[in-house]
Amino acid sequence: DAGVIQSPRHEVTEMGQEVTLRCKPISGHNSLFWYRQTMMRGLELLIYFNNNVPIDDSGMPEDRFSAKMPNASFSTLKIQPSEPRDSAVYFCASSLKAENTEAFFGQGTRLTVV
Amino acid sequence: AQSVTQPDIHITVSEGASLELRCNYSYGATPYLFWYVQSPGQGLQLLLKYFSGDTLVQGIKGFEAEFKRSQSSFNLRKPSVHWSDAAEYFCAARPAGTALIFGKGTTLSVSS
Repeated sequence: DAGVIQSPRHEVTEMGQEVTLRCKPISGHNSLFWYRQTMMRGLELLIYFNNNVPIDDSGMPEDRFSAKMPNASFSTLKIQPSEPRDSAVYFCASSLKAENTEAFFGQGTRLTVV
Repeated sequence: AQSVTQPDIHITVSEGASLELRCNYSYGATPYLFWYVQSPGQGLQLLLKYFSGDTLVQGIKGFEAEFKRSQSSFNLRKPSVHWSDAAEYFCAARPAGTALIFGKGTTLSVSS
């Protein structure tokens, strides 16, 4: 298996533009997570899906952020409009549903909003 | 509040010396516990995990961790550190029915 695949690896965009980050989880995994990593706040959970259904989106910072999982093999995280404070590394991870299994992480998308 | 705490932001260890990275959790019931490592520009890689049973768990790259319920701790150890171990280390907990929650991380530097 190729692991969790995220695209793009790097994204530079201007403030106010829409940004879409993409994630393909490991086949057979039915939990998917989006995390944001910054120096100041560390790794923050943004949203968590089980079987394509959002379970906990309390970490989504504001209405500018939205996430979807239309099927078991694809998820998107969208920021519209983007702001400079959204600059961070965004990680997608997947796991089997049970809590006693580890999450596997993608390589991350480094987002820079100028 | 439920949380994972890594008290040490940055640690420097001499190559060949032993290492212990601290982790404490604050949850009503014992969550599942994990240690991950992140090299610069990379994603997170699992080092080891604890679910139940033997409180001393072995992981990859010569790492081990000990779960101590009385101290709500899950400290990571390695007997002899190599220069390639320099990275950022994250302790994480996964309470029942939720996602992984991470500590703020500890950056390990290795001096020669």
